[in-house]
Amino acid sequence: LAKTTQPISMDSYEGQEVNITCSHNNIATNDYITWYQQFPSQGPRFIIQGYKTKVTNEVASLFIPADRKSSTLSLPRVSLSDTAVYYCLVDSSASKIIFGSGTRLSIRP
Amino acid sequence: SAVISQKPSRDICQRGTSLTIQCQVDSQVTMMFWYRQQPGQSLTLIATANQGSEATYESGFVIDKFPISRPNLTFSTLTVSNMSPEDSSIYLCSVERPDDGQLYYGYTFGSGTRLTVV
Repeated sequence: LAKTTQPISMDSYEGQEVNITCSHNNIATNDYITWYQQFPSQGPRFIIQGYKTKVTNEVASLFIPADRKSSTLSLPRVSLSDTAVYYCLVDSSASKIIFGSGTRLSIRP
Repeated sequence: SAVISQKPSRDICQRGTSLTIQCQVDSQVTMMFWYRQQPGQSLTLIATANQGSEATYESGFVIDKFPISRPNLTFSTLTVSNMSPEDSSIYLCSVERPDDGQLYYGYTFGSGTRLTVV
């Protein structure tokens, strides 16, 4: 199972763009990169997933370089409600997923 | 995506007792996963539960302490046995999100059971 490394914590302000980078040097060919968001007292929630290049949805964008050894989650114009822990995982279908430490994102007014 | 109902949402239990946590999914799934999340920490996988076979436990977790049932494709239980204060955690179940064609869309998690052992 690929191990991921991401910053333990980040701070930003409302209205800013936040980029959280994750490294996964040992990603396998059939692995996808998935990001989850977790608020206190809730289970993790799927945000976005990608395999290569760029993926965008209504919540975030995910940038994946050609070598796939890293990825960047981009949150446009964050608000206080984006304060949460963000987990980067690499996994494939029918495989168990192992969580890393996650990034605790704090948004200030 | 699949909707998971997890019960109870929280409980306070006496040490030495056992608690059974239920996880109900609104669609049939092959694998269900049970996680533990200690205060301020990340999620740790306890075991994988497949219907019709014994659960597969991760290192550090044993069946005697965390027996799991998987009677059908939509339901599973996790029991925390002979509890001690160190078992105070949030316990979550998870299933793979249904695929859309050939794509894989990650996992859906229940809202968790907050267990406090006194």
